[in-house]
Amino acid sequence: QSALTQPPSVSGSPGQSVTISCTGTSSDISDYNRVSWYQQPPGTAPKVIIYQVTNRPSGVPDRFSGSKSGNTASLTISGLQAEDEADYYCTSYTTSNTYVFGTGTKVTVL
Amino acid sequence: QVQLQESGPGLVKPSGTLSLTCDVSGGSMSSSYWWSWVRQPPGKGLEWIGEIYPGGNTNYNPSLRSRVTVSVDWSKNHVSLKLSSVTAADTAVYYCVRSPGYWFFDLWGRGTLVTVSS
Repeated sequence: QSALTQPPSVSGSPGQSVTISCTGTSSDISDYNRVSWYQQPPGTAPKVIIYQVTNRPSGVPDRFSGSKSGNTASLTISGLQAEDEADYYCTSYTTSNTYVFGTGTKVTVL
Repeated sequence: QVQLQESGPGLVKPSGTLSLTCDVSGGSMSSSYWWSWVRQPPGKGLEWIGEIYPGGNTNYNPSLRSRVTVSVDWSKNHVSLKLSSVTAADTAVYYCVRSPGYWFFDLWGRGTLVTVSS
């Protein structure tokens, strides 16, 4: 299975919005709502911020939102803050009953 | 508050077997949860290794399936990972991860670095 495709990096100024794309195939993203997103600040373990495409766990700020269209899922961070600077990974459960992660995106707050 | 703690040798010789244990503390390993291992080579992205779910069935990453075993000891509250025939490419931080069964990971251990070197 191939990794889902994400842009290597995105950046924005505080208060701006940024969107990270996550492109897969019909075997993972497109047919199911089994996409989740993880935030990983440097030197720490990942933390879930979006699950089942659009759901936010309790405690995650509502400036994080998820969506999906066809084979591509997206994570939008609205009102970017300095503490959002981290690596972000998407993942999807596949038709083969496995998980596949995205290639990862580094978010920089200018 | 349930916590996950990985442990095991930090150095494994090439062609050897990597063996890690994840201790689940602060609560029991309810049969409602699924347990996975995820790894991250230094400076690189995340890779899912495999999972075990209620009933003891397992699923593995196709690229690792021939070398990996994930198991659970319910009485000891821990999850185990064995990866055989290791090479330098298996050097990574290994995370123990919990899933509530809705195709996402809600709890991660702090991770443990395993280096494959002679």
